[in-house]
Amino acid sequence: DGGITQSPKYLFRKEGQNVTLSCEQNLNHDAMYWYRQDPGQGLRLIYYSQIVNDFQKGDIAEGYSVSREKKESFPLTVTSAQKNPTAFYLCASSSAGASYEQYFGPGTRLTVT
Amino acid sequence: GESVGLHLPTLSVQEGDNSIINCAYSNSASDYFIWYKQESGKGPQFIIDIRSNMDKRQGQRVTVLLNKTVKHLSLQIAATQPGDSAVYFCAETGYSTLTFGKGTMLLVSP
Repeated sequence: DGGITQSPKYLFRKEGQNVTLSCEQNLNHDAMYWYRQDPGQGLRLIYYSQIVNDFQKGDIAEGYSVSREKKESFPLTVTSAQKNPTAFYLCASSSAGASYEQYFGPGTRLTVT
Repeated sequence: GESVGLHLPTLSVQEGDNSIINCAYSNSASDYFIWYKQESGKGPQFIIDIRSNMDKRQGQRVTVLLNKTVKHLSLQIAATQPGDSAVYFCAETGYSTLTFGKGTMLLVSP
């Protein structure tokens, strides 16, 4: 069963704690992306990586960090510096140079109280 | 990005009708335009794309139209079914990323 997996589906944290969201793909894609979605809004790009050991900030990177040590994995850490962390987080991947054809995971809904 | 609150534009249709969902894009240099479908609580799913050198592309029950003069994109769904109920997003390519629109909710009643 190929695709992108995100875990867990629901995540609850107390304010002030860092939390790491998992994203794994077995599509052999070079590029991976993290988006944030708030109710009634479109997707906003947090970070993306076009190759292992390299990543770039998206439109709303403040308060987030990522790593890309393996091709298959692109974990996102939501730090305590993120002012409004409660959201639906989506991970995607694509072939190199094909950002127009991104495949999305099922998402993780993070709630911080 | 700017906040538009909790309410998405909504299109309500009857089963069997044709649906047209519209999108205005911002970057005249974008090379690809894509439509995604997102069901509640799930990740977006690719529907169809169109390259900037085309003005129409057809898939199974879906057609995308591109009007570069007015920077407008539309998605036509033929014979809409209850399973088509979802939020539909248009997206345009930047240098190596996608920029998504706000989305339109399609509600199909039987």
